[in-house]
Amino acid sequence: GDSVTQMEGPVTLSEEAFLTINCTYTATGYPSLFWYVQYPGEGLQLLLKATKADDKGSNKGFEATYRKETTSFHLEKGSVQVSDSAVYFCALSEHAGGTSYGKLTFGQGTILTVHP
Amino acid sequence: GAVVSQHPSRVICKSGTSVKIECRSLDFQATTMFWYRQFPKQSLMLMATSNEGSKATYEQGVEKDKFLINHASLTLSTLTVTSAHPEDSSFYICSATGTGGRGYTFGSGTRLTVV
Repeated sequence: GDSVTQMEGPVTLSEEAFLTINCTYTATGYPSLFWYVQYPGEGLQLLLKATKADDKGSNKGFEATYRKETTSFHLEKGSVQVSDSAVYFCALSEHAGGTSYGKLTFGQGTILTVHP
Repeated sequence: GAVVSQHPSRVICKSGTSVKIECRSLDFQATTMFWYRQFPKQSLMLMATSNEGSKATYEQGVEKDKFLINHASLTLSTLTVTSAHPEDSSFYICSATGTGGRGYTFGSGTRLTVV
């Protein structure tokens, strides 16, 4: 079945440091890939997504490129801020057909803490 | 943007009682609702998928008689934890998809504590 593997956390950085959170996946078809962010006690918010190979998703300074050859979707940000402290989840979905969305399969999550 | 309102945000109940969690799509029709459970510092585990007007499809290992899911309308889905026990304490999150290519919209989650 489908699976997503994220780098182990937690990750602790100083403000303005470069961030990379690795994510690799296993899927039978051609999934869509997502990064979600979860702040303490809250639900998930979509950070960015990519729906096909070589697509680059970007939002709020975060970027990730859909690499089919390495089955990866690593999250990067050039300069993190204290407000970026949260849990980050990589996820994939196989399309259920047409415009319908299948279930999301999540990675284990990576806790990011950014210090001033 | 699309919004899913999830209530309650926190609930404490006694062991043996039932608790209902509601998820409402406020500005779109939620044709499919996914219910997840999240343990502390762990990932989200899909419990079940429900389509409006149909019976929910439960993931392997999830007791359908314990976690009752109703999706009777395009704007409301409920998860009822029946005869709750302390091991049911967890964070429950719903996620809805609908027509129009909106993708997934998550509720804000419900922290259930069974004492």
